[in-house]
Amino acid sequence: DTEVTQTPKHLVMGMTNKKSLKCEQHMGHRAMYWYKQKAKKPPELMFVYSYEKLSINESVPSRFSPECPNSSLLNLHLHALQPEDSALYLCASSQAYSGMGTDTQYFGPGTRLTVL
Amino acid sequence: GQQLNQSPQSMFIQEGEDVSMNCTSSSIFNTWLWYKQDPGEGPVLLIALYKAGELTSNGRLTAQFGITRKDSFLNISASIPSDVGIYFCAGQLLTSYDKVIFGPGTSLSVIP
Repeated sequence: DTEVTQTPKHLVMGMTNKKSLKCEQHMGHRAMYWYKQKAKKPPELMFVYSYEKLSINESVPSRFSPECPNSSLLNLHLHALQPEDSALYLCASSQAYSGMGTDTQYFGPGTRLTVL
Repeated sequence: GQQLNQSPQSMFIQEGEDVSMNCTSSSIFNTWLWYKQDPGEGPVLLIALYKAGELTSNGRLTAQFGITRKDSFLNISASIPSDVGIYFCAGQLLTSYDKVIFGPGTSLSVIP
């Protein structure tokens, strides 16, 4: 089973709203990721959690706030977003580096976010 | 920073034709990954390559990890309409295993 699930599938929000995106995996993976993807572009890394600790923040604005409640769950809290934040938000997970030199990432289906 | 070059940028082919696309970099990669993405969906892993020179198949797909560790190719044989989508190569550097660097993608269209 290589499934990563994301909810909601679609989200429309105003610039003053607060919303959250959710991601879940049950593969025993210890690394989880948030990516942002604009149309016809490759995914751009936002955050990495490794063993439930934030290990990478790619200089993401503070209006995006990640949270990793446990090893299976990853949230992305959204507040005061801008229209240019509209994009497909992808979650991914991987086993986490084991010293074997490989760490393949598996992606969820994404949340299509529209900010009005 | 590290960049991946992917070519071609787009392809229009007839159903039944073979397809070849490649990915190159000036950096040495520890892992090469090939993903396919359908519109509105997340990338789906097609093939993962872990050793220089490795040649791996997955059905009609074949991919190779270049000997120099700086390139990889993906071939699709006997294309079918459901092969339509964007194909991304991605690589992981030995020094940053938790970062995947994506190429710009190859958009494939299959004409029935």
